[in-house]
Amino acid sequence: EAGVAQSPRYKIIEKRQSVAFWCNPISGHATLYWYQQILGQGPKLLIQFQNNGVVDDSQLPKDRFSAERLKGVDSTLKIQPAKLEDSAVYLCASSLGGTTNEKLFFGSGTQLSVL
Amino acid sequence: AQTVTQSQPEMSVQEAETVTLSCTYDTSESDYYLFWYKQPPSRQMILVIRQEAYKQQNATENRFSVNFQKAAKSFSLKISDSQLGDAAMYFCAYRSGSGSARQLTFGSGTQLTVLP
Repeated sequence: EAGVAQSPRYKIIEKRQSVAFWCNPISGHATLYWYQQILGQGPKLLIQFQNNGVVDDSQLPKDRFSAERLKGVDSTLKIQPAKLEDSAVYLCASSLGGTTNEKLFFGSGTQLSVL
Repeated sequence: AQTVTQSQPEMSVQEAETVTLSCTYDTSESDYYLFWYKQPPSRQMILVIRQEAYKQQNATENRFSVNFQKAAKSFSLKISDSQLGDAAMYFCAYRSGSGSARQLTFGSGTQLTVLP
């Protein structure tokens, strides 16, 4: 079974530029998550989708971050404009979306460096 | 809000020995789940073991087992017969058992080094 695919793997930009990350979840997974992992910290949830609807985006900095999940499959996360403190690994995860104890499957993340 | 605390930023263990990683959490909920994830340098988070709060029996997965102390809100991971491939960052995580949100709340992680 194919896993969660993310691209690009690395991205280097200058502050105030924009950047986009792409995630393709496991086929059939209704729930999709974007996490931000700053160096030396655990991942922090940015946004959770159930199909193409947003379940939780309370920790998403909406003045600069946006995310969408068209047709309930692929998702993109955008930052515009980027700040130095946005340097982090952005992890995408997916799950079937049925039960609270279900397993989350993670991608390998995109490492963003903002200079 | 729930919080997860891992007080050991780094741990090391000799190959074939046993090591225990600590985790405490804070919650007012009675229905929840606890997880240990492994993150190797490839960055992909891999589920190691999970525990349902309503179960008294500690979860076990091959060489990995947990010591779940609900009253103390403690959830430690024991790795037996440590192998070089166990070297990674380990994260303890919490998930609520109610509501539509399914997100995991992670601790800050413990970097495990396995010495040959």
